[in-house]
Amino acid sequence: AQSVSQHNHHVILSEAASLELGCNYSYGGTVNLFWYVQYPGQHLQLLLKYFSGDPLVKGIKGFEAEFIKSKFSFNLRKPSVQWSDTAEYFCAVNKGSSNTGKLIFGQGTTLQVKP
Amino acid sequence: SQTIHQWPATLVQPVGSPLSLECTVEGTSNPNLYWYRQAAGRGLQLLFYSVGIGQISSEVPQNLSASRPQDRQFILSSKKLLLSDSGFYLCAYTPGETTYNEQFFGPGTRLTVL
Repeated sequence: AQSVSQHNHHVILSEAASLELGCNYSYGGTVNLFWYVQYPGQHLQLLLKYFSGDPLVKGIKGFEAEFIKSKFSFNLRKPSVQWSDTAEYFCAVNKGSSNTGKLIFGQGTTLQVKP
Repeated sequence: SQTIHQWPATLVQPVGSPLSLECTVEGTSNPNLYWYRQAAGRGLQLLFYSVGIGQISSEVPQNLSASRPQDRQFILSSKKLLLSDSGFYLCAYTPGETTYNEQFFGPGTRLTVL
């Protein structure tokens, strides 16, 4: 069965520090990859996505992620975090050929940015 | 524009009582619809999904059921709630017109079973 693993459960950073959140998935076929973010008290919203093409994708608020097929990874990065990036981050995957669109989510990573 | 609504926002129910959570989508036709449960430290667990009216697929055997009586309405139900049903329930959809499977999430319902 497919699974998604996020290595960091709770990350604490100071403002301006660099961020990298790990995400690995287990599925050998074509995949669509997503990072979602949930800010305190807000809806879960899409941060960025990868369907095909350039494996380095850029999302909102300066976030980017790199798809490395050989490593089954889709790590999220940001060069310099801000206090407003404090949130919970979820990596998610679905099969590229799926007509159901079922997403498999990782456990989530809570990011706390200290001012 | 497309929007998704869920209600109620919060709910406190006694064990053994029934449950009905509603989700509606606006601005798209024939969406795929999904119910998830979010537990702290465990991510989002897909409970049910639907690709059309009356078509429900269950991902996890449990005390809950889902129905889709209209194209853009998705209902999560239980006849008798258990303590373990407490959690944060999210509804999501994929617009019917898209070829990619990006999902859009509702605001969620916080359910506490006492």
